[in-house]
Amino acid sequence: GQNIDQPTEMTATEGAIVQINCTYQTSGFNGLFWYQQHAGEAPTFLSYNVLDGLEEKGRFSSFLSRSKGYSYLLLKELQMKDSASYLCAVMDSNYQLIWGAGTKLIIKP
Amino acid sequence: IAGITQAPTSQILAAGRRMTLRCTQDMRHNAMYWYRQDLGLGLRLIHYSNTAGTTGKGEVPDGYSVSRANTDDFPLTLASAVPSQTSVYFCASSEVYGVSDEQFFGPGTRLTVL
Repeated sequence: GQNIDQPTEMTATEGAIVQINCTYQTSGFNGLFWYQQHAGEAPTFLSYNVLDGLEEKGRFSSFLSRSKGYSYLLLKELQMKDSASYLCAVMDSNYQLIWGAGTKLIIKP
Repeated sequence: IAGITQAPTSQILAAGRRMTLRCTQDMRHNAMYWYRQDLGLGLRLIHYSNTAGTTGKGEVPDGYSVSRANTDDFPLTLASAVPSQTSVYFCASSEVYGVSDEQFFGPGTRLTVL
């Protein structure tokens, strides 16, 4: 079966750096997405990786290793507004997104 | 309107009733999707449409139907609601199906089936 694993919850301090990991086993691979979802709101797109390596976008970076079935999202200079759930999703061979359950990130002052 | 709208925002429904969740986008996107989101689970695809006039089944299609009469609208119908369909439903769209386009999500419909 297809499976996306990510930690259920993480806690970090304002101004610090946090890394959220995602491992996947899917039927085919057509890219990996990270979305942010604030409580009670819709998911919003953060990043997309299809090749191995690091993609940087401001305070957020995303890394992919296809051979290891592994990705991480790195958030720097954490702000209170970064408190949200972070969703990892893989596009499978049918071009459908398979989603992880999300990692709830709690930021403490 | 800008983006994707969904209606209603929330609904409480008696089991066995028929219900249609509405979704409209104004971005002229070809592809549209319906997901459900349940606590502790990832988003799960119910149905999708890669262009007006065509639809396809996702991971959890049973008990749901969709139609795509035009580019903008993609309603989801529960023919006879059951309590296990209690969930938050998100409609999404992307420019094209089958490429690495980001999906844009509507605000969601919170549905409770009693």
